[in-house]
Amino acid sequence: AQSVTQPDIHITVSEGASLELRCNYSYGATPYLFWYVQSPGQGLQLLLKYFSGDTLVQGIKGFEAEFKRSQSSFNLRKPSVHWSDAAEYFCAVGAGDSGAGSYQLTFGKGTKLSVIP
Amino acid sequence: DAGVIQSPRHEVTEMGQEVTLRCKPISGHNSLFWYRQTMMRGLELLIYFNNNVPIDDSGMPEDRFSAKMPNASFSTLKIQPSEPRDSAVYFCASSLRNTIYFGEGSWLTVV
Repeated sequence: AQSVTQPDIHITVSEGASLELRCNYSYGATPYLFWYVQSPGQGLQLLLKYFSGDTLVQGIKGFEAEFKRSQSSFNLRKPSVHWSDAAEYFCAVGAGDSGAGSYQLTFGKGTKLSVIP
Repeated sequence: DAGVIQSPRHEVTEMGQEVTLRCKPISGHNSLFWYRQTMMRGLELLIYFNNNVPIDDSGMPEDRFSAKMPNASFSTLKIQPSEPRDSAVYFCASSLRNTIYFGEGSWLTVV
């Protein structure tokens, strides 16, 4: 079974600073990798995903993530954080085929991001 | 696309009452998931449907919880009787080709 580790529970950055949120996964093959963001009182919004191909993926809101197979990592980055980015961020690993009824999606515990004006 | 639609958005109910949460998945998606989110346990998968058939209900906490998907455009999650420890945010999500899209959640408080 796959697992996801987000080692940082809470990160605080200043507005305009760069950001990197860490995600490590455990899975025997190449998984599907996702980052979701949850603002207070809201649902989970998909930021970006990696299935195959280019290991650097671009997402919405200026975010990007890089898949590193050797490190089993899929870290999320943003060059300049805005106050509106304050939220909780979840990394997730998917395996199987949802269309065939064999899908599993495992979430990390989340990293809460605070932004100092 | 309207996205995954859940109702009610907020519900406060008394212990022992029946609670029914509703979900309309994104049109054309063939998989539907119910998740529960709490501070203590994070996001937990309760049940997973594929083509309206329950595939994995191992996350359903106990017999008080039941879920149905009578057709491709509607699902319910029912709690009967409800207990204070059921207070949580319940998310419905749907997918096509392994990308899961979440609804805004149903915020349940059982007093």
